[in-house]
Amino acid sequence: NAGVTQTPKFQVLKTGQSMTLQCAQDMNHNSMYWYRQDPGMGLRLIYYSASEGTTDKGEVPNGYNVSRLNKREFSLRLESAAPSQTSVYFCASSEASAAFNYGYTFGSGTRLTVV
Amino acid sequence: TQLLEQSPQFLSIQEGENLTVYCNSSSVFSSLQWYRQEPGEGPVLLVTVVTGGEVKKLKRLTFQFGDARKDSSLHITAAQPGDTGLYLCAGAGAGGTSYGKLTFGQGTILTVHP
Repeated sequence: NAGVTQTPKFQVLKTGQSMTLQCAQDMNHNSMYWYRQDPGMGLRLIYYSASEGTTDKGEVPNGYNVSRLNKREFSLRLESAAPSQTSVYFCASSEASAAFNYGYTFGSGTRLTVV
Repeated sequence: TQLLEQSPQFLSIQEGENLTVYCNSSSVFSSLQWYRQEPGEGPVLLVTVVTGGEVKKLKRLTFQFGDARKDSSLHITAAQPGDTGLYLCAGAGAGGTSYGKLTFGQGTILTVHP
């Protein structure tokens, strides 16, 4: 019962380096999301993909790009990492429609530190 | 931008006590969800409430959605150490273009001491 799998679990980057966070789900969900979690700020939406082939910006998209590779996979890329991107990143998937959210299944997160 | 204010931010209680966590907004939500998160893990969905005034119970946890669908509460009866964790409320926007996007509150860190 894998659900949502995120890799890597931990990463340390130097300022200016790039990396891609991987996410895959095996529940045949249409919608996928990337959130970041910072102390005292809850979870903030970076990008989402309502369905395969579509992506859209969330609340805090600057400094990130995404790719919905297929229905299962949704990756998040940091082109030039900055210390302000130190955070815990969560991928989630959902059987959501345009009008209703059926609840997210989250991965276990990637803890990223940018030095 | 829809905002959800969650209170209190921190709650430290003894086993057996009751507690309530509040989630408030000036915006209307089509549904509201509560999640529980343990250290090192992602949040796990506890419940979804959809109808204004709706009350749902999950063992010792009672969830209520406000009549106007702008607020919600989570009440835990006779808290146990196993209830310790971060509790998050999350609202889905009203209207037909939300595509499942959720707005999260800041979270409540609950510690239940034996």
